[in-house]
Amino acid sequence: EDQVTQSPEALRLQEGESSSLNCSYTVSGLRGLFWYRQDPGKGPEFLFTLYSAGEEKEKERLKATLTKKESFLHITAPKPEDSATYLCAVPLGTYKYIFGTGTRLKVLA
Amino acid sequence: NAGVTQTPKFRVLKTGQSMTLLCAQDMNHEYMYWYRQDPGMGLRLIHYSVGEGTTAKGEVPDGYNVSRLKKQNFLLGLESAAPSQTSVYFCASSFGPDTQYFGPGTRLTVL
Repeated sequence: EDQVTQSPEALRLQEGESSSLNCSYTVSGLRGLFWYRQDPGKGPEFLFTLYSAGEEKEKERLKATLTKKESFLHITAPKPEDSATYLCAVPLGTYKYIFGTGTRLKVLA
Repeated sequence: NAGVTQTPKFRVLKTGQSMTLLCAQDMNHEYMYWYRQDPGMGLRLIHYSVGEGTTAKGEVPDGYNVSRLKKQNFLLGLESAAPSQTSVYFCASSFGPDTQYFGPGTRLTVL
């Protein structure tokens, strides 16, 4: 069964404490993996797309990596403004995407 | 450039009432989508459209209808609202089967 699982469900970090979020998937013929950030009461905001194993992308304190079975979102020296829910999504076919349930990140000052 | 906008932001309905949610995008995107987001569940696709005048069912289409009469607009209708349709609804658009851009959401409560 096609599935996307994110862990942990919630994460609390002190400011400056680096960590990683995980997105594992069981989808045949991966056609990309998307990371989004969602702030409370708002829609998801696009962060990264990864297409092949070994690919990495960076944006400020965030770095996304991809293997054949999972993706990691590494957060280096996070700040309170990085607090949000991070979602990953995998396309199934041309139009349908499976979204994970997200990791709620809280960064404490 | 407003991106993707949704109207209304909040709505409370009684069981059996009907309503229409409006999504508009100004990015000239071909593809548009309607999702619902419920606690503990990922975003689930309700309906989608790959161009003006076309619509198709997603993962959870029952109880909803859609129309795409203009390229920039995608309407989601609830004919007879049920408490199970209490949710946050998100519209998204994209150039093709790639990065989706989301609206701010509509929070719907059905009593």
